Amino acid sequence: SQKIEQNSEALNIQEGKTATLTCNYTNYSPAYLQWYRQDPGRGPVFLLLIRENEKEKRKERLKVTFDTTLKQSLFHITASQPADSATYLCAPPYSGYSTLTFGKGTMLLVSP
Amino acid sequence: SAVISQKPSRDICQRGTSLTIQCQVDSQVTMMFWYRQQPGQSLTLIATANQGSEATYESGFVIDKFPISRPNLTFSTLTVSNMSPEDSSIYLCSVTGGPLETQYFGPGTRLLVL
Repeated sequence: SQKIEQNSEALNIQEGKTATLTCNYTNYSPAYLQWYRQDPGRGPVFLLLIRENEKEKRKERLKVTFDTTLKQSLFHITASQPADSATYLCAPPYSGYSTLTFGKGTMLLVSP
Repeated sequence: SAVISQKPSRDICQRGTSLTIQCQVDSQVTMMFWYRQQPGQSLTLIATANQGSEATYESGFVIDKFPISRPNLTFSTLTVSNMSPEDSSIYLCSVTGGPLETQYFGPGTRLLVL
């Protein structure tokens, strides 16, 4: 069955550094992959989508890569700020469905 | 983008009772999705609700436990029936939209069953 893996341990970094989060998937080949941010007590919010024919996608301080050979996506936040502290979810689509399947997410903690 | 509201935002219920969660979208959508997020876990899709047809349930979820209504293109309800403490969770309503088919989520309903 389709499986998505994200680092379960929280990532602690200092303000100003680059945070890198990893998403690995197995048993299928999604045509695209989305990243979401979730704050405590709130629903996820869409950040970026990257398609299988795109190596990299950027949006302000965010950068996502998609390596279909390694079956991996990396999510980077440069010049991180305490306001970036949240859980980040990787979400490729269910195979054949119109909805997404979500990883467990990685909590990012940026300290001043 | 879509703006989604849910009611109630939270509730504390006794085991054996039922709770109906409402989801309202500010635009007409074909499909609405209901997710559950248990403490420390990711989102799990419960069912997909299309207007005018029966909801489609994911493996492990059944209509008797989670009946869904979809009376029109902007509204849906999810009922959690005969609740037990294991149903304590956040329940989220979602729709897809836009050229990227991103998912938009409601703020969630935080349910605690005692």
